[in-house]
Amino acid sequence: DAMVIQNPRYQVTQFGKPVTLSCSQTLNHNVMYWYQQKSSQAPKLLFHYYDKDFNNEADTPDNFQSRRPNTSFCFLDIRSPGLGDAAMYLCATSRDNFEGLKRYEQYFGPGTRLTVT
Amino acid sequence: SQQGEEDPQALSIQEGENATMNCSYKTSINNLQWYRQNSGRGLVHLILIRSNEREKHSGRLRVTLDTSKKSSSLLITASRAADTASYFCATVDNYGQNFVFGPGTRLSVLP
Repeated sequence: DAMVIQNPRYQVTQFGKPVTLSCSQTLNHNVMYWYQQKSSQAPKLLFHYYDKDFNNEADTPDNFQSRRPNTSFCFLDIRSPGLGDAAMYLCATSRDNFEGLKRYEQYFGPGTRLTVT
Repeated sequence: SQQGEEDPQALSIQEGENATMNCSYKTSINNLQWYRQNSGRGLVHLILIRSNEREKHSGRLRVTLDTSKKSSSLLITASRAADTASYFCATVDNYGQNFVFGPGTRLSVLP
């Protein structure tokens, strides 16, 4: 089945130690999103890739970076995690066409729960 | 900025009852989407309704959209314990750019 996969499901890192979360998709969707979700809150968009074009949300901290080496994979790098970065990180994909104003549903992975010690 | 706001924040009902959740937003939209999230999991897309549509059905789900009131409702009929989850609305603005989730409604269906 086509799907969005996130690894690992649980990640523990130390304060200030760089960490990378990964996402892969078999849907061949052109857009990939990264969200941060804290307990009992809505997902908050960090950034997205529209094909190879990177789009950062205005309030996403510089501490967060992303890479998309190909259509299938996308990575979230947290350069120096702080205690406030502990959260669930969700990857999503869609087949949106921004120029044509065609926006569709997003398909989410199961998430990676990040703990910062 | 545009944002969907859900009402109520939490809802507790008995199995077999209907559950209604509401979503309000601030500006013109391209479409509105509803998602479900089971505890500790990713979100699952339920229904997308476009700005020129007024009502959509999918199984036990019924979504309405009133663009004049800038509001949408999600009705789950004959609820089951397995429907226990958080439900989020998400809006896409009229420029097709901004995609924003509302704060969600936490639904508990008691057996």
